[in-house]
Amino acid sequence: DQQVKQNSPSLSVQEGRISILNCDYTNSMFDYFLWYKKYPAEGPTFLISISSIKDKNEDGRFTVFLNKSAKHLSLHIVPSQPGDSAVYFCAASALGNKLVFGAGTILRVKS
Amino acid sequence: GAVVSQHPSWVICKSGTSVKIECRSLDFQATTMFWYRQFPKQSLMLMATSNEGSKATYEQGVEKDKFLINHASLTLSTLTVTSAHPEDSSFYICSARKRGQGIYEQYFGPGTRLTVT
Repeated sequence: DQQVKQNSPSLSVQEGRISILNCDYTNSMFDYFLWYKKYPAEGPTFLISISSIKDKNEDGRFTVFLNKSAKHLSLHIVPSQPGDSAVYFCAASALGNKLVFGAGTILRVKS
Repeated sequence: GAVVSQHPSWVICKSGTSVKIECRSLDFQATTMFWYRQFPKQSLMLMATSNEGSKATYEQGVEKDKFLINHASLTLSTLTVTSAHPEDSSFYICSARKRGQGIYEQYFGPGTRLTVT
């Protein structure tokens, strides 16, 4: 039962353009959502998060949007840079319980 | 920073043998450590949560006698895969949480690739 889904295994974007990574979830009890970034041979590192009481959270070039009615969140990176090339994981938690991860999306930013 | 290391980074073992994976927090004390596994093209799945000095809590479907977890100190947790079989081949990754921090604040190690032949 995959409660968090990242349906796009990979995404390729031109440098300077917007990258949009998507994530869908099925558990309506999820109340906190996170995005992690992972480079090869390194562990995932926290990028940005959002609580279910908000619909948007912004941190520099990174913005996360949450659409609770659609059970959908997205991560926008503007402008995309070659150093953003990595695997991005979406994760969710219900009531402070364990993190449930998506399978990840490989982002390639072409210069 | 908050650095978590894992050793080894990859290991190949024969079916029926046991293999131990170490997870260390290098610059902080980790009161809680988490062990995940990831199959190719699938998500990270939590296997167990271990608190320093107490028994690990395993997720449903994870065999605690097969995946032995020890969290003997505030900087070290080990995962031992006993009597490994080819289906145990996977990517194992740990994370650690500092004292007083919430569930969301986990620092991940780089992972260990286990191949059982």
